[in-house]
Amino acid sequence: NAGVTQTPKFQVLKTGQSMTLQCAQDMNHEYMSWYRQDPGMGLRLIHYSVGAGITDQGEVPNGYNVSRSTTEDFPLRLLSAAPSQTSVYFCASSYSRSPLHFGNGTRLTVT
Amino acid sequence: AQSVSQHNHHVILSEAASLELGCNYSYGGTVNLFWYVQYPGQHLQLLLKYFSGDPLVKGIKGFEAEFIKSKFSFNLRKPSVQWSDTAEYFCAVNIRDTGNQFYFGTGTSLTVIP
Repeated sequence: NAGVTQTPKFQVLKTGQSMTLQCAQDMNHEYMSWYRQDPGMGLRLIHYSVGAGITDQGEVPNGYNVSRSTTEDFPLRLLSAAPSQTSVYFCASSYSRSPLHFGNGTRLTVT
Repeated sequence: AQSVSQHNHHVILSEAASLELGCNYSYGGTVNLFWYVQYPGQHLQLLLKYFSGDPLVKGIKGFEAEFIKSKFSFNLRKPSVQWSDTAEYFCAVNIRDTGNQFYFGTGTSLTVIP
């Protein structure tokens, strides 16, 4: 039972490049979400999904896209990276209203 | 908008000192409450949770938290901290009436000096 798996662990991008952060969970959780963590700002919700085929925006969705074609996977796409997107990204999943299970994070630097 | 406030941004304690970290939330309805811990370089891990019942909940590693509904608070406590408790602590609120969204505080960085 791997839990929540995020890849890659580290990534450096140049401004304007695109990339996808992968997130997969093997706990059959219907709820999945993406957060970014910045110093002094805690965790801010980017996008979330309550089930396959259903996604919605969180607090800071601009510049990010998501899709949920399966229960297990919830990738986060940066279409045109900007320095303001330098952050640590966490994927999390849970059953409805149960505690979130977090992945190990992806540290992204945009130069 | 819902919000979660952690008023202590950075706390420094000596080993064996007692700890209390404040957490207040702004939603008036029914909530689930959580404390998470993030050790340096690691992901967030659940310390304890409150759903209903006894407002004093006990978590892992000797931590406990008290839910005071009238004060919209869920403060974290530990009677005697250890160096290994050095970490960042996040309070989180899950509002039962809406979807499964969690709202996090900005975190409190705890440094325990040996």
